[in-house]
Amino acid sequence: GIQVEQSPPDLILQEGANSTLRCNFSDSVNNLQWFHQNPWGQLINLFYIPSGTKQNGRLSATTVATERYSLLYISSSQTTDSGVYFCAVGDEGGKLIFGQGTELSVKP
Amino acid sequence: DSGVTQTPKHLITATGQRVTLRCSPRSGDLSVYWYQQSLDQGLQFLIQYYNGEERAKGNILERFSAQQFPDLHSELNLSSLELGDSALYFCASSVGQGEGVTEAFFGQGTRLTVV
Repeated sequence: GIQVEQSPPDLILQEGANSTLRCNFSDSVNNLQWFHQNPWGQLINLFYIPSGTKQNGRLSATTVATERYSLLYISSSQTTDSGVYFCAVGDEGGKLIFGQGTELSVKP
Repeated sequence: DSGVTQTPKHLITATGQRVTLRCSPRSGDLSVYWYQQSLDQGLQFLIQYYNGEERAKGNILERFSAQQFPDLHSELNLSSLELGDSALYFCASSVGQGEGVTEAFFGQGTRLTVV
């Protein structure tokens, strides 16, 4: 099956810093999504990005499907950005395979 | 609000018991997926239904079963519960399946604690 690897596993930032999270996947995929899991456990959709680049405020994402990776950029980080960021790829049936996540802690 | 509704939000039950988790997908979504998030296994796919029919199975135990009803809501039944079944259970929905699959949206989850 498809393997999904995220790096780094943990990240500690000072408020205002920028960061890049990476997601590598082992096979071609139909779908790629980035999620933020907040401290209450909710999975918040950030991007649906099987290919190309998208931006939403301080966040942006790029997926290079031919090279099987995706990047999530967080600029000017805020304490509310803390939590776990998941990359998930979809197989031909639609189910998502999740990476292990990157745990981000933003300090004031 | 993702539009996917899960009930209950929290559930505490004893070993050996049976529970039912409920999910209402977003309006218009035909696919429903169930996932389990535990500390040691991460987020794992359990099962998928599309328009009332089972379409894919993942790491779902034989003690667990699910169904999707004509109104498209889904239920996940967990029986003979063990301590290790304690986890956050998510339901997600999307419009299609296969090559027509689109973005999946997740409910708030049901936090199950087995004591």
